[in-house]
Amino acid sequence: AQSVTQLGSHVSVSEGALVLLRCNYSSSVPPYLFWYVQYPNQGLQLLLKYTSAATLVKGINGFEAEFKKSETSFHLTKPSAHMSDAAEYFCAVTPASGGSYIPTFGRGTSLIVHP
Amino acid sequence: DTEVTQTPKHLVMGMTNKKSLKCEQHMGHRAMYWYKQKAKKPPELMFVYSYEKLSINESVPSRFSPECPNSSLLNLHLHALQPEDSALYLCASSQGELSSYNSPLHFGNGTRLTVT
Repeated sequence: AQSVTQLGSHVSVSEGALVLLRCNYSSSVPPYLFWYVQYPNQGLQLLLKYTSAATLVKGINGFEAEFKKSETSFHLTKPSAHMSDAAEYFCAVTPASGGSYIPTFGRGTSLIVHP
Repeated sequence: DTEVTQTPKHLVMGMTNKKSLKCEQHMGHRAMYWYKQKAKKPPELMFVYSYEKLSINESVPSRFSPECPNSSLLNLHLHALQPEDSALYLCASSQGELSSYNSPLHFGNGTRLTVT
């Protein structure tokens, strides 16, 4: 079964600094990968997804992620953090074929942005 | 604005009450989900309906009873809940099962449930 690991339950950055949130997957076959964001008192919202079309994926709100098969990673980045980026971020994975289509979520990373 | 609408936004209920959570989507999605989420934790899957049939029940206690009246609506009936059931309950939808591997989930904003 596939799984994802999000390193760091909290990431703290200053406004304007680079944001890097880490996600590693464990699967023998490259899966489909997703990043979701959850703002306070809201549901999860899709930021971006990797479905094998391109390794560098651009999402909403200036976020992007790069799929690296050799590192089994799909880290989320944003060049310049904004106060409004403070939220909980979840990486999720589904298999490319076979097995359950239900996504498996990572434990989440809380992004804190300081003025 | 979310395309998945959940009502009510907040619900406080006693342990002997019966209440229902409602979810609606009009995106033509054929898979609908109930998740439970505790603070600062990932959502935990409870139920999945695929083409209006219960597809997955993650060993959820019988005090939670899902219902899918049609392809756009999903209910979660609550009865005799415990204080530890207090959480954010999220509804989500996605395209039908056969194409769902790369289809993202669309979440509602949830119902914040407090059991007293």
